[in-house]
Amino acid sequence: AQSVTQLGSHVSVSEGALVLLRCNYSSSVPPYLFWYVQYPNQGLQLLLKYTTGATLVKGINGFEAEFKKSETSFHLTKPSAHMSDAAEYFCAVSDRDDKIIFGKGTRLHILP
Amino acid sequence: EAGVAQSPRYKIIEKRQSVAFWCNPISGHATLYWYQQILGQGPKLLIQFQNNGVVDDSQLPKDRFSAERLKGVDSTLKIQPAKLEDSAVYLCASSLESSVGYEQYFGPGTRLTVT
Repeated sequence: AQSVTQLGSHVSVSEGALVLLRCNYSSSVPPYLFWYVQYPNQGLQLLLKYTTGATLVKGINGFEAEFKKSETSFHLTKPSAHMSDAAEYFCAVSDRDDKIIFGKGTRLHILP
Repeated sequence: EAGVAQSPRYKIIEKRQSVAFWCNPISGHATLYWYQQILGQGPKLLIQFQNNGVVDDSQLPKDRFSAERLKGVDSTLKIQPAKLEDSAVYLCASSLESSVGYEQYFGPGTRLTVT
Protein backbone atom coordinates (compact mmCIF):
# COMPACT_ATOMS: atom_id res chain seq x y z
CA ALA A 1 0.00 0.00 0.00
CA GLN A 2 1.14 3.50 -0.72
CA SER A 3 2.01 5.92 2.07
CA VAL A 4 3.66 9.26 2.68
CA THR A 5 5.81 10.44 5.57
CA GLN A 6 6.51 14.11 6.10
CA LEU A 7 9.37 14.76 8.49
CA GLY A 8 8.56 17.56 10.91
CA SER A 9 5.06 18.80 11.61
CA HIS A 10 6.45 22.32 12.04
CA VAL A 11 9.41 23.96 10.29
CA SER A 12 10.67 27.50 10.95
CA VAL A 13 13.01 29.40 8.65
CA SER A 14 14.13 32.99 8.52
CA GLU A 15 12.93 35.24 5.72
CA GLY A 16 15.41 34.91 2.85
CA ALA A 17 16.70 31.54 4.00
CA LEU A 18 16.43 28.19 2.21
CA VAL A 19 13.18 26.29 2.65
CA LEU A 20 13.46 22.50 2.80
CA LEU A 21 10.41 20.36 3.53
CA ARG A 22 11.04 16.63 3.60
CA CYS A 23 8.83 13.92 2.16
CA ASN A 24 9.40 10.19 1.84
CA TYR A 25 6.98 7.85 0.14
CA SER A 26 6.22 4.19 -0.18
CA SER A 27 4.81 2.80 -3.40
CA SER A 28 4.84 -0.56 -5.15
CA VAL A 29 4.88 1.00 -8.62
CA PRO A 30 6.45 4.15 -10.08
CA PRO A 31 4.41 6.80 -8.33
CA TYR A 32 2.92 10.13 -9.13
CA LEU A 33 4.05 12.63 -6.47
CA PHE A 34 2.52 15.94 -5.49
CA TRP A 35 3.04 18.91 -3.23
CA TYR A 36 0.03 20.98 -2.18
CA VAL A 37 -0.11 24.20 -0.14
CA GLN A 38 -2.95 25.22 2.16
CA TYR A 39 -3.28 28.78 3.38
CA PRO A 40 -5.43 29.46 6.48
CA ASN A 41 -9.14 28.91 5.90
CA GLN A 42 -8.57 27.93 2.30
CA GLY A 43 -8.57 24.74 0.31
CA LEU A 44 -5.48 23.02 -1.04
CA GLN A 45 -3.65 24.37 -4.07
CA LEU A 46 -1.33 22.28 -6.24
CA LEU A 47 2.28 23.53 -6.08
CA LEU A 48 3.85 20.94 -8.36
CA LYS A 49 3.67 17.32 -9.41
CA TYR A 50 5.93 14.60 -10.73
CA THR A 51 4.54 12.06 -13.17
CA THR A 52 7.30 10.91 -15.50
CA GLY A 53 10.40 12.35 -17.16
CA ALA A 54 12.62 14.98 -15.58
CA THR A 55 13.14 14.29 -11.90
CA LEU A 56 13.53 17.96 -10.96
CA VAL A 57 10.11 19.55 -11.05
CA LYS A 58 9.49 23.27 -10.88
CA GLY A 59 6.27 24.63 -9.49
CA ILE A 60 4.57 27.88 -8.68
CA ASN A 61 5.91 30.58 -6.35
CA GLY A 62 9.54 29.55 -6.86
CA PHE A 63 9.21 26.08 -5.35
CA GLU A 64 10.77 22.96 -6.79
CA ALA A 65 11.09 19.31 -5.81
CA GLU A 66 13.33 16.46 -6.87
CA PHE A 67 12.18 12.87 -7.26
CA LYS A 68 14.89 10.53 -5.96
CA LYS A 69 13.86 6.94 -6.53
CA SER A 70 16.86 5.47 -4.69
CA GLU A 71 15.95 7.45 -1.57
CA THR A 72 12.17 7.23 -2.09
CA SER A 73 12.08 10.97 -1.47
CA PHE A 74 10.41 14.03 -2.95
CA HIS A 75 11.67 16.95 -0.88
CA LEU A 76 10.34 20.46 -1.53
CA THR A 77 12.74 23.41 -1.68
CA LYS A 78 12.75 27.14 -2.27
CA PRO A 79 16.00 29.11 -2.32
CA SER A 80 14.72 32.16 -0.46
CA ALA A 81 11.73 32.17 1.89
CA HIS A 82 9.18 34.94 1.81
CA MET A 83 6.70 35.87 4.51
CA SER A 84 3.88 34.91 2.16
CA ASP A 85 5.16 31.31 2.10
CA ALA A 86 3.83 30.73 5.62
CA ALA A 87 1.25 27.97 5.20
CA GLU A 88 0.75 24.23 5.58
CA TYR A 89 2.32 21.99 2.96
CA PHE A 90 1.15 18.51 2.06
CA CYS A 91 3.08 15.86 0.18
CA ALA A 92 0.96 13.27 -1.60
CA VAL A 93 1.46 10.06 -3.58
CA SER A 94 -0.59 8.12 -6.07
CA ASP A 95 -0.06 4.64 -7.41
CA ARG A 96 -1.82 5.85 -10.57
CA ASP A 97 -5.04 4.20 -9.46
CA ASP A 98 -6.86 7.54 -9.43
CA LYS A 99 -6.47 7.82 -5.65
CA ILE A 100 -4.18 10.34 -3.92
CA ILE A 101 -2.83 9.65 -0.43
CA PHE A 102 -1.82 12.74 1.55
CA GLY A 103 0.80 13.08 4.25
CA LYS A 104 0.00 14.69 7.59
CA GLY A 105 1.36 18.05 6.54
CA THR A 106 4.17 20.39 7.59
CA ARG A 107 3.38 23.86 8.84
CA LEU A 108 5.98 26.34 7.60
CA HIS A 109 6.70 29.38 9.77
CA ILE A 110 8.68 32.31 8.39
CA LEU A 111 10.66 34.32 10.92
CA PRO A 112 11.24 38.03 10.18
CA GLU B 1 -13.26 31.00 -13.97
CA ALA B 2 -15.18 30.44 -10.75
CA GLY B 3 -13.64 28.00 -8.29
CA VAL B 4 -15.19 25.22 -6.26
CA ALA B 5 -17.90 26.62 -4.01
CA GLN B 6 -18.85 25.13 -0.65
CA SER B 7 -21.40 26.04 1.97
CA PRO B 8 -21.72 26.57 4.80
CA ARG B 9 -18.17 27.57 5.73
CA TYR B 10 -18.69 26.78 9.41
CA LYS B 11 -21.15 24.60 11.29
CA ILE B 12 -21.51 23.75 14.96
CA ILE B 13 -23.90 20.99 15.99
CA GLU B 14 -24.46 18.71 18.93
CA LYS B 15 -23.71 15.01 18.74
CA ARG B 16 -26.53 12.88 17.34
CA GLN B 17 -27.80 15.80 15.24
CA SER B 18 -27.69 15.73 11.45
CA VAL B 19 -25.86 18.09 9.11
CA ALA B 20 -25.51 18.58 5.36
CA PHE B 21 -22.80 20.20 3.27
CA TRP B 22 -23.13 21.46 -0.27
CA CYS B 23 -20.55 21.65 -3.05
CA ASN B 24 -20.70 23.21 -6.50
CA PRO B 25 -17.71 22.12 -8.61
CA ILE B 26 -16.02 24.01 -11.40
CA SER B 27 -18.21 24.04 -14.49
CA GLY B 28 -17.48 21.15 -16.81
CA HIS B 29 -15.62 19.06 -14.24
CA ALA B 30 -16.81 15.48 -14.43
CA THR B 31 -15.14 14.23 -11.26
CA LEU B 32 -16.04 15.37 -7.77
CA TYR B 33 -14.36 14.37 -4.50
CA TRP B 34 -15.27 14.75 -0.84
CA TYR B 35 -12.39 14.67 1.64
CA GLN B 36 -12.33 14.72 5.43
CA GLN B 37 -9.45 16.63 7.03
CA ILE B 38 -9.09 16.08 10.76
CA LEU B 39 -6.96 18.60 12.63
CA GLY B 40 -3.28 17.72 12.31
CA GLN B 41 -3.80 15.28 9.45
CA GLY B 42 -3.90 15.33 5.69
CA PRO B 43 -7.14 15.06 3.74
CA LYS B 44 -8.68 11.59 3.52
CA LEU B 45 -10.89 10.68 0.58
CA LEU B 46 -14.45 9.86 1.57
CA ILE B 47 -16.12 9.49 -1.81
CA GLN B 48 -15.41 10.10 -5.48
CA PHE B 49 -18.03 10.70 -8.17
CA GLN B 50 -17.62 10.48 -11.92
CA ASN B 51 -20.55 12.50 -13.28
CA ASN B 52 -23.45 11.22 -11.15
CA GLY B 53 -22.00 7.77 -10.46
CA VAL B 54 -19.92 6.68 -7.47
CA VAL B 55 -16.38 5.59 -8.36
CA ASP B 56 -15.03 5.00 -4.86
CA ASP B 57 -16.76 5.15 -1.49
CA SER B 58 -14.63 2.58 0.29
CA GLN B 59 -13.71 4.96 3.14
CA LEU B 60 -17.16 6.47 3.62
CA PRO B 61 -18.75 5.40 6.97
CA LYS B 62 -21.98 4.38 5.31
CA ASP B 63 -23.84 3.84 8.56
CA ARG B 64 -23.87 7.59 9.13
CA PHE B 65 -22.53 9.34 6.04
CA SER B 66 -24.26 9.65 2.69
CA ALA B 67 -23.55 11.65 -0.44
CA GLU B 68 -25.23 12.26 -3.72
CA ARG B 69 -24.51 14.06 -6.94
CA LEU B 70 -27.81 14.28 -8.72
CA LYS B 71 -27.61 15.50 -12.32
CA GLY B 72 -23.83 15.17 -12.20
CA VAL B 73 -23.18 18.74 -11.10
CA ASP B 74 -23.43 19.85 -7.48
CA SER B 75 -23.24 17.47 -4.57
CA THR B 76 -24.34 17.14 -0.97
CA LEU B 77 -22.67 15.24 1.86
CA LYS B 78 -24.79 14.36 4.88
CA ILE B 79 -23.94 13.07 8.34
CA GLN B 80 -26.69 11.54 10.45
CA PRO B 81 -26.24 11.15 13.36
CA ALA B 82 -23.03 13.07 14.00
CA LYS B 83 -20.38 11.90 16.46
CA LEU B 84 -17.70 13.89 18.24
CA GLU B 85 -15.02 12.33 16.04
CA ASP B 86 -16.69 13.79 12.95
CA SER B 87 -15.30 17.22 13.89
CA ALA B 88 -13.15 18.10 10.90
CA VAL B 89 -12.93 20.21 7.77
CA TYR B 90 -14.83 18.71 4.86
CA LEU B 91 -13.22 19.57 1.56
CA CYS B 92 -14.79 19.27 -1.85
CA ALA B 93 -12.61 19.06 -4.94
CA SER B 94 -13.26 18.66 -8.64
CA SER B 95 -11.26 17.75 -11.73
CA LEU B 96 -11.92 17.45 -15.44
CA GLU B 97 -11.54 13.68 -15.35
CA SER B 98 -10.81 11.03 -12.77
CA SER B 99 -7.21 10.28 -13.74
CA VAL B 100 -4.67 11.58 -11.23
CA GLY B 101 -2.96 13.28 -14.16
CA TYR B 102 -5.72 15.86 -13.98
CA GLU B 103 -5.34 18.52 -11.28
CA GLN B 104 -7.84 18.51 -8.44
CA TYR B 105 -9.18 21.95 -7.54
CA PHE B 106 -10.24 22.33 -3.93
CA GLY B 107 -12.94 24.44 -2.35
CA PRO B 108 -12.39 26.37 0.91
CA GLY B 109 -13.98 23.64 3.00
CA THR B 110 -16.66 23.44 5.67
CA ARG B 111 -15.39 23.37 9.24
CA LEU B 112 -17.65 21.12 11.34
CA THR B 113 -17.55 21.17 15.11
CA VAL B 114 -19.54 18.50 16.94
CA THR B 115 -20.10 19.20 20.66
